[in-house]
Amino acid sequence: KQEVTQIPAALSVPEGENLVLNCSFTDSAIYNLQWFRQDPGKGLTSLLLIQSSQREQTSGRLNASLDKSSGRSTLYIAASQPGDSATYLCAVRGSGGSNYKLTFGKGTLLTVNP
Amino acid sequence: GAVVSQHPSRVICKSGTSVKIECRSLDFQATTMFWYRQFPKKSLMLMATSNEGSKATYEQGVEKDKFLINHASLTLSTLTVTSAHPEDSSFYICSAGRTSSGRGYEQYFGPGTRLTVT
Repeated sequence: KQEVTQIPAALSVPEGENLVLNCSFTDSAIYNLQWFRQDPGKGLTSLLLIQSSQREQTSGRLNASLDKSSGRSTLYIAASQPGDSATYLCAVRGSGGSNYKLTFGKGTLLTVNP
Repeated sequence: GAVVSQHPSRVICKSGTSVKIECRSLDFQATTMFWYRQFPKKSLMLMATSNEGSKATYEQGVEKDKFLINHASLTLSTLTVTSAHPEDSSFYICSAGRTSSGRGYEQYFGPGTRLTVT
């Protein structure tokens, strides 16, 4: 059974800092991995999706890496802003495409202080 | 593109009544829709997967007679919480999946519905 762990559970940084969120998963047979953002009381916004054959994806100040063999992914946020404050969720989809469900981590609660 | 809506965004109901939550994919057809439940400070828990025109597949421990799912069309799925009790109070999120070139299979999530049973 796939298990996804996110470290740290919470992180507080001053504005402008670069930061890294970590995600690890137990079964390396994945189809893809996604990073989501969730604001309090809201749904999920997809940030980055990395296919199993890819090593990284970038979008603006965000960069996500994937090391499938070691079961790890990181989300790098450059020059953090107070608007980045949210919970960040990592989710992996098992290999087999639409036949396999997403498994989520518990998330990292990020607070960026002005 | 790829927007998923949910209605209502929040609902309060009395114990013993039933509540229906709608999930719509607004600009794409979704062959598969998913319903999740989220407890405070917990990860999303998949409740069931539904395919258009067929019965939903429920995850272990989820009561199918209590959480009725109907996937009437390629753009609409509904979750009905029957005979709701306070312990059913939670945040329910739906998701719709599709396959696109370059990204493979991906799920898009709705904004969630906060259910409070009094």
